[in-house]
Order: sequence, then C-alpha cells, then structure tokens
Amino acid sequence: DAGVIQSPRHEVTEMGQEVTLRCKPISGHNSLFWYRQTMMRGLELLIYFNNNVPIDDSGMPEDRFSAKMPNASFSTLKIQPSEPRDSAVYFCASKSLRETGELFFGEGSRLTVL
Amino acid sequence: QKEVEQNSGPLSVPEGAIASLNCTYSDRVSQSFFWYRQYSGKSPELIMSIYSNGDKEDGRFTAQLNKASQYVSLLIRDSQPSDSATYLCAVIRQGSYKLIFGSGTRLLVRP
Repeated sequence: DAGVIQSPRHEVTEMGQEVTLRCKPISGHNSLFWYRQTMMRGLELLIYFNNNVPIDDSGMPEDRFSAKMPNASFSTLKIQPSEPRDSAVYFCASKSLRETGELFFGEGSRLTVL
Repeated sequence: QKEVEQNSGPLSVPEGAIASLNCTYSDRVSQSFFWYRQYSGKSPELIMSIYSNGDKEDGRFTAQLNKASQYVSLLIRDSQPSDSATYLCAVIRQGSYKLIFGSGTRLLVRP
C-alpha cells in the first residue's frame, strides 16, 4: 500500500501568492483530514471529509483557506492569498469510516511564506 | 481550557527506565483515546489506542485510561534512545469523527 501521498513536500512562496497543497488518501479510505502543525499551536484540525463531503470546516482559520475533495482519491487545500503566518507543516490523513481507530498520515507539506 | 492538555516537556529519562507520559482532556463525552509518536521531521504514527477504563498493554507500552478523572497516560518500559520523540495524545468525542490532538510531550531517553 502506497500510504497517504502529499505534494509538494516543500513549498517556499512569497506573501500574496496562491498555494495549493494536494493529497491522495489510501485507497478504500473514505474519511480524509487536513491538519496544520506549528510549534506554537501544535497539530490543529482544519477540515475533514467523509465520503468526499466536507463535514466540519470549523478549524479553517479564515476565508483565505479552502479545501475540496472532488473524488475519493484526491483532495486539495488552497490558500489565497498566502501570508507569512500560514507557514507551517500541513498534514493530510485518512482512515476508513468503519474503523474507530488509526488515522494514517502523509509525510506532510512544509510551507514557508516569505 | 484546551480540549487535550499535555506537559510539553522535555521529559528526560535514562535508558532502561520507565517513562510516564500524561494527558488530560476536558470533554466528558470523549470516548476514544490514542497515543501517537512523532519523530522530528516526520509524521505522527499510532502506537496505542484505548477505549475503556483500565490498562492496555502492547509490548513495552501500556496505556491507562481513567474516565472519571479524564486522564490518559502512556508508560514506556525499558526505555530506549530510539523512543526519543514527541508523544501526542488524541481523543475523539462521542458521535464525532474529529481526532483532537494535544500539543505533545517531548521524551528524551539518555543512553
């Protein structure tokens, strides 16, 4: 199994630019989560999808952030316009709705906004 | 008050000792509890889950849950330098799919 695949692994951009982060969940998983991790705030849940439908986006910090899941094998997290305070590691994770437990994380996308 | 609280550490123990990591949670309807390990620069990985009061053992790891006190702990016996990492406590509220993480405790095992 390939695991959760995220791209890009690293992104450096300038303030005001659009950033798109991508995620391919594990095949067969029907629940997908986007988290952001910083030293100050730890691991924060931004949004999660069940069966491609956004269930809870209360963690999305503001309107500059948007997430989509057009099909079961692909999701994007977009930041437009980006700001230096968006610099963080963004993790995508997936699990099966039938299972209570393990959430499988991708390797993360490290974003630096200058 | 944060939903899941952990001491940030670092917790430093000598090799071979027992490391004890603690976590408290605020929501009484939390029903599922997890410990994830995160090495520096890597993603979190699940090491233990616990759903009912008491102890659950898996190799060198023991998770303990006390719902009355809203307290979860992780014991690591015979600690190894390779156990040095950040340990994240996470909970799921009843009726929800949201996995909420604490800020993590950094563990250092001295050779």
